[in-house]
Amino acid sequence: DTAVSQTPKYLVTQMGNDKSIKCEQNLGHDTMYWYKQDSKKFLKIMFSYNNKELIINETVPNRFSPKSPDKAHLNLHINSLELGDSAVYFCASSKGGTPTHEQYFGPGTRLTVT
Amino acid sequence: QKEVEQDPGPLSVPEGAIVSLNCTYSNSAFQYFMWYRQYSRKGPELLMYTYSSGNKEDGRFTAQVDKSSKYISLFIRDSQPSDSATYLCAPGGSYIPTFGRGTSLIVHP
Repeated sequence: DTAVSQTPKYLVTQMGNDKSIKCEQNLGHDTMYWYKQDSKKFLKIMFSYNNKELIINETVPNRFSPKSPDKAHLNLHINSLELGDSAVYFCASSKGGTPTHEQYFGPGTRLTVT
Repeated sequence: QKEVEQDPGPLSVPEGAIVSLNCTYSNSAFQYFMWYRQYSRKGPELLMYTYSSGNKEDGRFTAQVDKSSKYISLFIRDSQPSDSATYLCAPGGSYIPTFGRGTSLIVHP
């Protein structure tokens, strides 16, 4: 049974389009995260939600908007996609509200903007 | 200086070799030290977790932390081709999750 799942797994789209990525966790965790991993494998935090409340919002363009309808779901909507948005986006969850706890990662969504 | 530094590699070793992967950090607030393993086209998964300076062993893996020099190591004994992956160090204790860029390890038969 998948702990952290993401859809879609692959996303190919054109510049200027709007797209969403969905994430769900069935671990009962309180905290969920979105990360961006670029072509050099650098994993960078974008957002974190704890009990549906935004607690981390790193320097990310306003085109990126996270939404957490409940503790088990964290979605990422991206407006006006740009070439530089091409990357792998990982969703993760953890039991506690701080990053000292083990994080469980989803399989990633590979976004390609053409 | 970046908060967490890792040599990206790749590090290529023969099967059975002892592997040493290293990481340095700059933030003295880090108190928890984690190593994640990431296979190609997969999400990272926790491999080792340690709280303090010293060594922690788990099977073929040993994590070593030296807080005084802000240096973290992961040793893999009797390395196997299945160990081929990227290893990311992740010191914790500050508010923002922090990962090194990872070291790519290739273990060839």
